[in-house]
Amino acid sequence: DAKTTQPTSMDCAEGRAANLPCNHSTISGNEYVYWYRQIHSQGPQYIIHGLKNNETNEMASLIITEDRKSSTLILPHATLRDTAVYYCIVRGRGGADGLTFGKGTHLIIQP
Amino acid sequence: KAGVTQTPRYLIKTRGQQVTLSCSPISGHRSVSWYQQTPGQGLQFLFEYFSETQRNKGNFPGRFSGRQFSNSRSEMNVSTLELGDSALYLCASSPGRTGNTIYFGEGSWLTVV
Repeated sequence: DAKTTQPTSMDCAEGRAANLPCNHSTISGNEYVYWYRQIHSQGPQYIIHGLKNNETNEMASLIITEDRKSSTLILPHATLRDTAVYYCIVRGRGGADGLTFGKGTHLIIQP
Repeated sequence: KAGVTQTPRYLIKTRGQQVTLSCSPISGHRSVSWYQQTPGQGLQFLFEYFSETQRNKGNFPGRFSGRQFSNSRSEMNVSTLELGDSALYLCASSPGRTGNTIYFGEGSWLTVV
């Protein structure tokens, strides 16, 4: 799987949009970008994924650049419960592929 | 729809013992994968099963093994436990087809003393 680069930590004020960047410059054409988050001591929670178009669901939006070398996860109105480690993962199409987790971004929502 | 269920949630074992962890995937999911999470190494992929066959394996010693049953439920086993095996063990499931999303359980906390 391609490697991803994320900032180690970020702060965001409660109620504001949290924008989490991810670089995946070696992504190949059939690899998806997945985002998960992990709240302390819990299992990772799936957030969203995309191939090349922007995606939105009830939790977040995913913006992927046209060259697909980077993406941004947007939490539109961050709450204290969004404090977590966010992982950006690039995954191939194979159903057997394990997920390769990096260190992620520790997002801290400030009251 | 129930999520991925793992048992037990917490357990303590002694060095040299073995342990078996259990996972029930989301109904209809045929792929089950296992991960280990430690403070030092982060989240690492152990292995993946589909239709009772191991399809993929991470870089772990042979002491770590698993199996999947015909109802898609899975177990993983760690033999001859070492202190360094203390970790959160996570099970995840997906339908198993190309590109399907993987969903995680809450994990089993293993402490080896």
